[in-house]
Parts: sequence; C-alpha cells; structure tokens
Amino acid sequence: DTGVSQNPRHKITKRGQNVTFRCDPISEHNRLYWYRQTLGQGPEFLTYFQNEAQLEKSRLLSDRFSAERPKGSFSTLEIQRTEQGDSAMYLCASSGFSGGHPYEQYFGPGTRLTVT
Amino acid sequence: AQSVTQPDIHITVSEGASLELRCNYSYGATPYLFWYVQSPGQGLQLLLKYFSGDTLVQGIKGFEAEFKRSQSSFNLRKPSVHWSDAAEYFCAVVPGGADGLTFGKGTHLIIQP
Repeated sequence: DTGVSQNPRHKITKRGQNVTFRCDPISEHNRLYWYRQTLGQGPEFLTYFQNEAQLEKSRLLSDRFSAERPKGSFSTLEIQRTEQGDSAMYLCASSGFSGGHPYEQYFGPGTRLTVT
Repeated sequence: AQSVTQPDIHITVSEGASLELRCNYSYGATPYLFWYVQSPGQGLQLLLKYFSGDTLVQGIKGFEAEFKRSQSSFNLRKPSVHWSDAAEYFCAVVPGGADGLTFGKGTHLIIQP
C-alpha cells in the first residue's frame, strides 16, 4: 500500500491556460474523489468515481472542469481556460470495499494550483 | 441547511494539557463521521471515524471522539497534547445518500511550550 499519489505537486499557470492533474489511488480502492481546498477553508467535494463511472458531481464543478477515470485506476482532472479564482489545492482521495469501509477516504498530498 | 460546524477557529493549548475540539452537524439522519488532521503543506490524514455502534471511538496518535446523537456532536479529545499535534483539524461527515465528504471550516491548534 503506497498511498494516494498526485502529480504535479505544484502548478503555476497563466490565466486562460489549460491544466491537467493526475491522481493515482490506493491500488485496491475502487472509489476515487476530487476535492478543492482554498486557503483557510475545509476541502469542498467536486466529483466522485466508482470504478470508471463518474457518479456524482458537485455544483462547484463548472463546465470548465472535467474529470476522467478511463480504466478505473488513475484519474485526471482538467481545468480549461483557468481563472484566478481556480487557485487552490486540489485533493484526491480514494476508498473501497477491499481496503476498508467504502466511505473511509484516504487523501493524497494534493496539487497546489496558482493562476497568475 | 445541512452543515458541519466547528465553532472554534483557533485553539491554544499548553503542551501536556488536555484537548477537546468541537464539531456539530445538522443532518436529519446520523451521518458517517470523521476527523482529519492536516499539517502545513500536507494532505489530510484520517484520525478516526464513526459508522455505527460504540459511540466512543479510538483513533491514531492517542485521539478519541465521542458521538452524541442528542447533541448532534462528534467532539475530538486527547488527554495530553504534544507539540507535534499542532495542525489544522477538520471534522467531516458523509450525509445519507451522498458519497463525498462535507467538511467543517477547521480548527487551528496551537501548542504552547
């Protein structure tokens, strides 16, 4: 069990550019989640996958955001036409029946996005 | 509105003293309940969780939490804090019918020598 990993750890981009983040969950976990955390706030839920199916999306996930989990393993989160308000820490978590209770989520270290 | 409330934004405790961090939720049914800790620049580490059964749950690093249905609370406690406990602590719930965690705004714990 190597834990949840996220890449890159930091990303600086200019407003209007597209960015993509990757999350590799704990290998036996079939559930994967994305959250966003801004300074001084708790994380906010963005979206959830069970295997390759995206089953829930928050209203926070605007049309500029898209997430995929093509083979039910790693996931990517893409933000198109970034805005300064997108600056935040993007956290990935995973959970699964084989690795414990299905709602027991384990988090990666996050990707910090700065939009200039 | 459904929410998770952590009333204390900052708490300062002397090293060796006891600690209690408060968490209240407002959901119709008992949700699943969690406490996470976040050190500066780090991701979230799961301290403990409550799904059902015994209302006093033990976690890692000497932490425990007690679920009180009548008060809609899930307070975190530790009998004796260490300087390494200084961090941000988040209470989180999974409401019935949902999958994502809903977090409180966090409590920043400062440890005085």
